[in-house]
Amino acid sequence: AQSVTQPDIHITVSEGASLELRCNYSYGATPYLFWYVQSPGQGLQLLLKYFSGDTLVQGIKGFEAEFKRSQSSFNLRKPSVHWSDAAEYFCAVGLIQGAQKLVFGQGTRLTINP
Amino acid sequence: DAMVIQNPRYQVTQFGKPVTLSCSQTLNHNVMYWYQQKSSQAPKLLFHYYDKDFNNEADTPDNFQSRRPNTSFCFLDIRSPGLGDAAMYLCATSRPLTHNTDTQYFGPGTRLTVL
Repeated sequence: AQSVTQPDIHITVSEGASLELRCNYSYGATPYLFWYVQSPGQGLQLLLKYFSGDTLVQGIKGFEAEFKRSQSSFNLRKPSVHWSDAAEYFCAVGLIQGAQKLVFGQGTRLTINP
Repeated sequence: DAMVIQNPRYQVTQFGKPVTLSCSQTLNHNVMYWYQQKSSQAPKLLFHYYDKDFNNEADTPDNFQSRRPNTSFCFLDIRSPGLGDAAMYLCATSRPLTHNTDTQYFGPGTRLTVL
């Protein structure tokens, strides 16, 4: 069965520091991979997605992610975080079965220290 | 210019009292999804509509039903809410398989409280 693992439940970084959020997936075919961000009490906003091609994907708000097939990983990075980046981050794998069904990881809560 | 709208944003119901959550979209997308997200957990897909075709996830309880009267609207009905159904309910839309490089667009969610 398809699954997504985000090993870190909660991460705290200082404002201006670099960030890496880990994501590992289990999927039999070429995966469609996504990172979403969720602010408290809000819906999900897409940060970036990978379908094929260049394994380094650029997203909104200065985020990027790298697909590594050999490691089954799709880690999210940002070189310098801002206080407004504090939120919950979800990695997801998309299953294309007529519709596009998303299987989410458990999420990583990001706290920013001033 | 909201694209996926959910009403109400907050809903309080009593144990066992039927409740309906609403989702509408201005994107003209073929597919609409309902997710349940419990506190500090990942969103979990309940079901989706591909046009008028309803697709239920295998582990979605019978207590949850859905209606899609037209392309723009989709409803989530909880026939007899239990305390365990308290959650954020997220609606999303997407284009279908022929546009599989597209993504899902999420609404802001409805937070359901069961007393």
